[in-house]
Amino acid sequence: SAVISQKPSRDICQRGTSLTIQCQVDSQVTMMFWYRQQPGQSLTLIATANQGSEATYESGFVIDKFPISRPNLTFSTLTVSNMSPEDSSIYLCSVDGQGSGYTFGSGTRLTVV
Amino acid sequence: AQSVTQPDIHITVSEGASLELRCNYSYGATPYLFWYVQSPGQGLQLLLKYFSGDTLVQGIKGFEAEFKRSQSSFNLRKPSVHWSDAAEYFCAVAPGRNEKLTFGTGTRLTIIP
Repeated sequence: SAVISQKPSRDICQRGTSLTIQCQVDSQVTMMFWYRQQPGQSLTLIATANQGSEATYESGFVIDKFPISRPNLTFSTLTVSNMSPEDSSIYLCSVDGQGSGYTFGSGTRLTVV
Repeated sequence: AQSVTQPDIHITVSEGASLELRCNYSYGATPYLFWYVQSPGQGLQLLLKYFSGDTLVQGIKGFEAEFKRSQSSFNLRKPSVHWSDAAEYFCAVAPGRNEKLTFGTGTRLTIIP
């Protein structure tokens, strides 16, 4: 199955600033998925990133707030822009592990103060 | 749109006792089905998955799940729980390969001595 390296693992950020989260996969994948897990909650899909095209955002998430880059088949970034305390969450990337199920990065625990 | 229901928010089980966590899904066809476990402060680990074929699937850590089409269910079971099984368990579905996962709200499992 695919292995994902996600960083940073955690960060504490000032409100109004931006944070970029990176995910590197050890194999080429078509789709990468970005999720948010708010404190004590389940996972919610933010967007799907397909290499070579703009990301597809779920209802309630917009590109200006969560811009995504997908420069090649093994890498993607998610930026959380103009952060507020409500953005404090765990952010995870995921890929379809080609028959072995969906693999997740270890997550980025973001605290906005 | 697909949806996943985990009716039990919190379950407490004695160590050595059997366990069943419930999961029901709503989708027009048979989706891909998954169970994930998340220990405190940890990432998501895939326990098992169902794509097709035998409706009883075996996973890691002694877990199994049974797909029942007539009930739209995919319940997770373990014959004898260990203290290390205490965690949050998520059921998830996807319409097909490389499609977004939809997660249930999760079930928190507490193990008592």
